[in-house]
Amino acid sequence: QKEVEQNSGPLSVPEGAIASLNCTYSDRGSQSFFWYRQYSGKSPELIMFIYSNGDKEDGRFTAQLNKASQYVSLLIRDSQPSDSATYLCAVPYSGTYKYIFGTGTRLKVLA
Amino acid sequence: GAGVSQSPSNKVTEKGKDVELRCDPISGHTALYWYRQSLGQGLEFLIYFQGNSAPDKSGLPSDRFSAERTGGSVSTLTIQRTQQEDSAVYLCASSPKTNTEAFFGQGTRLTVV
Repeated sequence: QKEVEQNSGPLSVPEGAIASLNCTYSDRGSQSFFWYRQYSGKSPELIMFIYSNGDKEDGRFTAQLNKASQYVSLLIRDSQPSDSATYLCAVPYSGTYKYIFGTGTRLKVLA
Repeated sequence: GAGVSQSPSNKVTEKGKDVELRCDPISGHTALYWYRQSLGQGLEFLIYFQGNSAPDKSGLPSDRFSAERTGGSVSTLTIQRTQQEDSAVYLCASSPKTNTEAFFGQGTRLTVV
């Protein structure tokens, strides 16, 4: 069974802190990894993608990929209350074209 | 259009009726995906299109569900003889090609009463 796993949370962090969200996947052949943000009642919104081992930074967001350990993480620096949402990790599995989504981690940034 | 467009935004239907949900992807995007999200749940893969072909229909929950895509553009998801368990938000996404970033529409909230 090909899986993407995330801690469901909620993960609570104070405003201004760093939020760290983690995702593990089971398919060693996966090559691309995506983070989506989903506000309650809204559709998922793409915020980051990463293809290579290491870090990728975009503004306050940093995606980290470690293919050997099969995990991908998302760091949010200077967290704001507006960052409060569910964060979904998505992995297209090798040999298929479907993105497998984790169940998401609910993040609460406390003002 | 600028983004993925889905219609209708909301649909209430009686049990046993058929419904059609429409997805208009971003222009030029060859890959199109349908997902379903029940209340408080994750995204459940339904079907994927590459052009007009559907290489992977494995996620369709039953033979009451079907989908097509014409002209490499608009896709329709049809649910026949709807059941209450079909109530969910149906999300469509498109991407420029497979395994690249996918962008979602606003979804269709289906309620079967």
